[in-house]
Amino acid sequence: KAGVTQTPRYLIKTRGQQVTLSCSPISGHRSVSWYQQTPGQGLQFLFEYFSETQRNKGNFPGRFSGRQFSNSRSEMNVSTLELGDSALYLCASSVDRVNTEAFFGQGTRLTVV
Amino acid sequence: QKEVEQNSGPLSVPEGAIASLNCTYSDRGSQSFFWYRQYSGKSPELIMFIYSNGDKEDGRFTAQLNKASQYVSLLIRDSQPSDSATYLCAALLYNQGGKLIFGQGTELSVKP
Repeated sequence: KAGVTQTPRYLIKTRGQQVTLSCSPISGHRSVSWYQQTPGQGLQFLFEYFSETQRNKGNFPGRFSGRQFSNSRSEMNVSTLELGDSALYLCASSVDRVNTEAFFGQGTRLTVV
Repeated sequence: QKEVEQNSGPLSVPEGAIASLNCTYSDRGSQSFFWYRQYSGKSPELIMFIYSNGDKEDGRFTAQLNKASQYVSLLIRDSQPSDSATYLCAALLYNQGGKLIFGQGTELSVKP
């Protein structure tokens, strides 16, 4: 059974640009959550999608957005990139939101220069 | 107050000893708790989860939950150098629509 797949693995972008990251969950999983991980802040919750609907959102500016497709694949977009957006972006998939384990992808390392 | 708090460490234990990792949470609506291990440069991997008061054992790992004290712990018996990693505690916040919130993580170092 394939795990959670995130693409691309590495990205270098310039300030002001936008970026789209992709996450393919484990087959049969309908919930996808996104996290930002930095050395200083740890793992911070961005948002969660379930059956194509955003069910939860963390405390991030509107420049961070996402969506989920009918096949449960999810994308997140960051517009007008800032240096502080440099981080490891992780997505996690689970069967649903209640009492089920979440499994992480390998992450996308975004560097903003 | 952070929703999930962990001592950042580093926690250093000798090989073969018991490592004890602790976590507290503030939301009494939290019902499920997860322990993840993250090696440097890698993504978090699930070790175990617990949602009932008491102990849950899986091999060398034991998770303990005390809802009255809002406290979760992870014990690693017979610690090995390969256990050296950052351990993340996470709580599923039902009162907030099911968000999975992580603590800052505790760095564990097992010395040969």
